[in-house]
Amino acid sequence: AQKITQTQPGMFVQEKEAVTLDCTYDTSDPSYGLFWYKQPSSGEMIFLIYQGSYDQQNATEGRYSLNFQKARKSANLVISASQLGDSAMYFCAMTPGNTDKLIFGTGTRLQVFP
Amino acid sequence: EPEVTQTPSHQVTQMGQEVILRCVPISNHLYFYWYRQILGQKVEFLVSFYNNEISEKSEIFDDQFSVERPDGSNFTLKIRSTKLEDSAMYFCASRKRAGTDTQYFGPGTRLTVL
Repeated sequence: AQKITQTQPGMFVQEKEAVTLDCTYDTSDPSYGLFWYKQPSSGEMIFLIYQGSYDQQNATEGRYSLNFQKARKSANLVISASQLGDSAMYFCAMTPGNTDKLIFGTGTRLQVFP
Repeated sequence: EPEVTQTPSHQVTQMGQEVILRCVPISNHLYFYWYRQILGQKVEFLVSFYNNEISEKSEIFDDQFSVERPDGSNFTLKIRSTKLEDSAMYFCASRKRAGTDTQYFGPGTRLTVL
């Protein structure tokens, strides 16, 4: 079954600290894409970072990096130097190779405190 | 930076009424999607659309739902006879290429069925 699991319903982090949001995935397709999206309280879905299954290096986008461990089927999001504006819901998602639909996890609510 | 737009931002309707949710995808994108998110739950795929036809749909996308690209810019989702359980945030997304290219989301339309 194709599935995304996010086991942390909520996380707290202090401003300027780093935080890791966990994501594991399940697919039998050798080719897939992994994505992280941010959903602030205003509701929109903001693309953060992408990792392809064949990419040799972990993806990075500014303060976001994706810790891709293929053997463990994990794709954790690392946010460095957290800011108050990072407080939001974060969704991990996957596109398995045989379909272009996004399969989402249940999300992690991150709260950054001063 | 080009973005996906959606109108209206909030729609309130009576049960049994028809609603049309509108989206303008990014102009050079070829693949279009609708997702929904019931309050407090994860984002669920509804339908994908390419080359003027549905390429994939979920179990949620039953005969009450339809999609259309009536002209070169708009992409619409119609719900023929709304039910209470259709109340959700509806997101449109678009993608430039096939495969694991990134899907960019619009800001969403919050549909409330009374």
